[in-house]
This record gives sequence, C-alpha cells and structure tokens, in this order.
Amino acid sequence: DQQVKQNSPSLSVQEGRISILNCDYTNSMFDYFLWYKKYPAEGPTFLISISSIKDKNEDGRFTVFLNKSAKHLSLHIVPSQPGDSAVYFCAASARANKFYFGSGTKLNVKP
Amino acid sequence: DTEVTQTPKHLVMGMTNKKSLKCEQHMGHRAMYWYKQKAKKPPELMFVYSYEKLSINESVPSRFSPECPNSSLLNLHLHALQPEDSALYLCASSPSGLAEKNEQFFGPGTRLTVL
Repeated sequence: DQQVKQNSPSLSVQEGRISILNCDYTNSMFDYFLWYKKYPAEGPTFLISISSIKDKNEDGRFTVFLNKSAKHLSLHIVPSQPGDSAVYFCAASARANKFYFGSGTKLNVKP
Repeated sequence: DTEVTQTPKHLVMGMTNKKSLKCEQHMGHRAMYWYKQKAKKPPELMFVYSYEKLSINESVPSRFSPECPNSSLLNLHLHALQPEDSALYLCASSPSGLAEKNEQFFGPGTRLTVL
C-alpha cells in the first residue's frame, strides 16, 4: 500500500495563474518532505523541501505548505509558466534519508 | 560538476545476459541510491550506499547486484533478469550519509528492456 499518494494524475493551468499540486501521506512518522520536478527523458530535479517543524517554506515562485494534522502537503507555483510543465513528485521520509515517492502529477501550463 | 551521470541511456538484454549499469557523481556526495521506476508508478528504492557501504537493500532479488567501487561510482550488475524487470533505473546521490536528511540528486536514468 502506497504511503504517499498524489491523487490527481494531471492538472492543467493557464499561464500566470496559480498551480496547486497536492500530496497526502499515511505514515505519521514522516517528518521531512521533498518536491521534485521531472521532464521527459531526465531524472527528477529537486525543487523544495519542508521539515515537519515548519508549516510553510518558500523559494521564489514555489511554496510548500504542510498540514500535519491532515497529513497533507501542497506545492503552490505562482505565477505558473509554460516551462513549469512537467511531472511533479512529492516524497516523504521517516528515518534517515530513505524516501517514499508519490506517483506524480503531470502539470500542463497553457500559454 | 553538479550532476549525476548514468550509462548507458538505453539497454536491451536477453534473460541469459549479464550487463551492468553505471552511475557517477563528482560532487563529493556520501550516499548513493538505486531506484527502479515502472511506467506511471513512483520510483521505488532498491539499494543505498552510505560512505561506500551497503546500508539498505530493499529485499531486492539477487539477480540485481550493486557495487560501490569508490565514493564517486555506483554500479548495478544484472544477471538472469526477467521481462518484468524492464523499467527505468534511476541513480541518485545526496551530500551527507544516510543518517542525515537532505535532498537527493538524480541522474537521467537507464531505460532497461529485458526480452
């Protein structure tokens, strides 16, 4: 059973608007979370991380929010750009640097 | 050099073949990882080397044999694979050893097809 789930396989957003990608997890021991972006024929690229001692982390156009009580995190991209079109994975870790990945959400940003 | 490289990009092999996948990083990272990713599925961890020692083996069948000759290089030796082993094999590295949490840097992967 997957411990990290991304329930939306795809998302389409207009350029300039906000993209919100969601991720749910089941293991309450997870305390460190990552978001990755993946273009076709490339490996995943690290975007942003958040530790469970925080509920928000911001890096430029990317903000990750963590709701521990709901076991939910989300990635906000504002404003969205066509170059953001990719598959986005969330990943979570409980112990050490061993991560469990979600199945990904394919984001399409339309010009 | 800020990237993880993997060779070959594509590999087609028969079930009786022996082949190897190679991964290299020159960022001084102390942990290296092998993941397997099937289509439309998340990457699944196979092995982790921390400070050149095998730290995690996720109950991977013995037909997959990892090797870490030095801190920059990670190999995955393949022997007697099955068609269901066809997948994208991703290598990753992270700056600190396994005990510390930090982001992993991924290579582009090797697309393996087993006939």
